Amino acid sequence: NAGVMQNPRHLVRRRGQEARLRCSPMKGHSHVYWYRQLPEEGLKFMVYLQKENIIDESGMPKERFSAEFPKEGPSILRIQQVVRGDSAAYFCASSPPPGAYNEQFFGPGTRLTVL
Amino acid sequence: DAKTTQPNSMESNEEEPVHLPCNHSTISGTDYIHWYRQLPSQGPEYVIHGLTSNVNNRMASLAIAEDRKSSTLILHRATLRDAAVYYCIPVRQGNQFYFGTGTSLTVIP
Repeated sequence: NAGVMQNPRHLVRRRGQEARLRCSPMKGHSHVYWYRQLPEEGLKFMVYLQKENIIDESGMPKERFSAEFPKEGPSILRIQQVVRGDSAAYFCASSPPPGAYNEQFFGPGTRLTVL
Repeated sequence: DAKTTQPNSMESNEEEPVHLPCNHSTISGTDYIHWYRQLPSQGPEYVIHGLTSNVNNRMASLAIAEDRKSSTLILHRATLRDAAVYYCIPVRQGNQFYFGTGTSLTVIP
C-alpha cells in the first residue's frame, strides 16, 4: 500500500506566478489535510477536505490560496501570484474517516521556493 | 484546542532511555494525546497515541498522568535514527492537528 504521495517534491516559482501542489492520499483514505511549515517553525494547519467538500479552511490565508479534493484525482493546493513569503514546505496528510484513532499519514512534502 | 508546552531541545546518549515531557493542562476529557516526530527534511510520522492508560508499541511508550494534564514519551533505547523533532498533539476526535514547536532531540553517539 503506497503511502501519501506529493508532487512535485521541489518547486521553484518567480514572484507573481502560480504554484500547484498535488497530493494523492493513501488508498482508501477520503480525508486530506494540508499544512505549511516555514523554515525553523512547526507545521501550521491550513485546510481539511473530504472528497468534493471543504470541511475546515480556517488556516488558509484569505487571498491567493485555494484547495480542492475532487471526486477523481489528487487534492490540489493552489497558490496564485506567489510572493517570497510563500516559500515553505507544504505537507499533506490523509486519514480514513475520523474515528477514535484519527491517525494522519503524512507525505514527504513539497518545498516551494519563490525567487 | 489544548495548548502544549514542550522543552525546545533535549539530548540523549545513544542506547540510553529518553523521556520527552509534554504539558497539556487545558486538555479536554475526550482529547486523545498523539505523538508525532519529524526527521530532517521529511514529513511527520506517527509515533504513538493514548487517551488515559499508558500505551506501548514497537517504537515507544506513552505515560499519561492520572489527571491527563501531562504526558511523557519514552524511547527505551535511543538510536541515531531517533534524532528528530517530537511533537505532542492533543486531538479532538475528527479534528485537524495543531502542531506546537516540539522538542528537538539530539542523540549523541
